Order: sequence, then structure tokens, then C-alpha cells
Amino acid sequence: DVKVTQSSRYLVKRTGEKVFLECVQDMDHENMFWYRQDPGLGLRLIYFSYDVKMKEKGDIPEGYSVSREKKERFSLILESASTNQTSMYLCASSPSRGASNEKLFFGSGTQLSVL
Amino acid sequence: DAKTTQPPSMDCAEGRAANLPCNHSTISGNEYVYWYRQIHSQGPQYIIHGLKNNETNEMASLIITEDRKSSTLILPHATLRDTAVYYCIVRAYIYGQNFVFGPGTRLSVLP
Repeated sequence: DVKVTQSSRYLVKRTGEKVFLECVQDMDHENMFWYRQDPGLGLRLIYFSYDVKMKEKGDIPEGYSVSREKKERFSLILESASTNQTSMYLCASSPSRGASNEKLFFGSGTQLSVL
Repeated sequence: DAKTTQPPSMDCAEGRAANLPCNHSTISGNEYVYWYRQIHSQGPQYIIHGLKNNETNEMASLIITEDRKSSTLILPHATLRDTAVYYCIVRAYIYGQNFVFGPGTRLSVLP
């Protein structure tokens, strides 16, 4: 089975801290995604990547950046954490771009609290 | 904006079939219908997807109307572990098209 692993299940940070959320997938998937999930707002796409060193903005990229130096790893960076970034962060991967077998596999999520 | 409409919640008795409807009246010819579900405190899980034919796998069946404007996900024998939020998504296989999750349907399977 595909495994998408997020480094932390729960994380507590202070306002202004730089925060790194790490995600690793073990199935050689080309595509990786970062979503955040908030009550009443559903899942919203922050950034995605279709290849190593490539990144594209999703619907809500402000306040975030990403890094994909290796195919299996996709990092989400909060340069200066703010309280409105308190959320559940979900990483996902999918095998290929524009193919009929493209479906998302999600990690278990990181619940980030910014105090 | 999500291109689908789902009821916010549904109940189903354990052991009975759960039929979850989805309206996607503006679906385009190249868009597929996907279903995911999210059990509490976990990431969403892929269930099934289809274009125009009905599909079945070990988890569920997907029935798409002939005009493709609506579909139904069927869990044939719901169990308590099927209690989750179910998301219906329409998406084309083209670059830049991403999965847009709406609020979904919260299915409660009752003992």
C-alpha cells in the first residue's frame, strides 16, 4: 500500500516562529500536494508540485512556501507563523499527471496550533 | 468553487445499503466523478471514480446517470466503520486541474 507519512501528528508553535512540516511518500509518485482543513471550510489547496524542484501555487498560498528537493519529500514552510495558520495540514501524493489512474493518497495530517 | 452538491448529512442503519447522492449538473464531457471519504482524525481515502459507466470495486459501487448530471455512491452493507464524511468531486485529467473538496456528506451508520 502507498504510504504518505507526515512527520508530526500534533505541533504547537509560537507566533512568528518558522515552521517546517515534512511529508514523505514511498511509492515514487510524481505529484505531491499540501492542503489545509478547517471546520466549515473543507480542504483547501495550498501548494502542489509535479516534479522535483517544481512548485505551483494552489488556492491559498499566502504565508506559505514549499520545497521539493527530492521526489519523495515535500516540505511546507510557514516563514512566520500566525494564529490564523492554526489548522489541520494534510499532505497527499498521486502517481502521475493527467492520467486515468491519478488519485490522491493522503497522510494522516498534522494538527498545528500557533499560540 | 466546488462543482458538486451533496446533502450535508445522512443516517443509515448498520447492515443496510447506504446510498449517497451527488449532483453535478454542470459537469463537462472530460470530467470524471470521484468519491473520497474521511474518517474522523484521518486523511481522506480514495473510494472510487468513473466517467460515464457504472463502476464497482471492493469498497463501493458508483452509479452515474445517463446524462451524467448526478451520481450515487452505494455502500452495499454499511458498517459502523463506514461512518465518515464522503466527498464527491468532479475533475478532468488535464494539467492544472486539481481536486476541489466541498463540504461533503456526513454519513452516520447507526447500530
